Amino acid sequence: EPEVTQTPSHQVTQMGQEVILRCVPISNHLYFYWYRQILGQKVEFLVSFYNNEISEKSEIFDDQFSVERPDGSNFTLKIRSTKLEDSAMYFCASTFARDEQYFGPGTRLTVT
Amino acid sequence: GDSVTQMEGPVTLSEEAFLTINCTYTATGYPSLFWYVQYPGEGLQLLLKATKADDKGSNKGFEATYRKETTSFHLEKGSVQVSDSAVYFCALKIQGAQKLVFGQGTRLTINP
Repeated sequence: EPEVTQTPSHQVTQMGQEVILRCVPISNHLYFYWYRQILGQKVEFLVSFYNNEISEKSEIFDDQFSVERPDGSNFTLKIRSTKLEDSAMYFCASTFARDEQYFGPGTRLTVT
Repeated sequence: GDSVTQMEGPVTLSEEAFLTINCTYTATGYPSLFWYVQYPGEGLQLLLKATKADDKGSNKGFEATYRKETTSFHLEKGSVQVSDSAVYFCALKIQGAQKLVFGQGTRLTINP
């Protein structure tokens, strides 16, 4: 069964460094999403992406964040200058027709 | 704004016990409602969904009924198994919007 994959499973970085989280959505899906979950808190929407552009974003998704689909298979989330409060589990999701969203296993980002 | 509230966890039950996990929501539009499950080390998986009032979603012995009058979508299972141990997330999606809005998750542990 097709699945969403994410790499790495755990990323440790120093404050101020740039990180790129990678996702491979299901191949025929058209809509892509990033969510995050700070430890002990709710899963929060960050951004949705369709037709090579951002279609919706939350107030969390400020200028420090960017997304890209560089090659038709990967979907990346970049954080330009990480802060301690960016430490969280980041989930990628995809869907074909804006219905059921399929989630990856997540990348745990630890900022020290 | 739109929000989802789940019962506090963790919940610990014995095998074959009856399960209820409460979920209530606040929404500005007409939401679809979802239950997602996260098994250890895996991503969020859709367990069941309901798209309009009085619909009942069901899967793997779990069920939930969309109650518009009480703005609720409680998850139930008649006889739980050890393999049901996981974190359960209630979520909504407003018609026309892209993002899922999640509750805080409820950790369920089933003891043999």
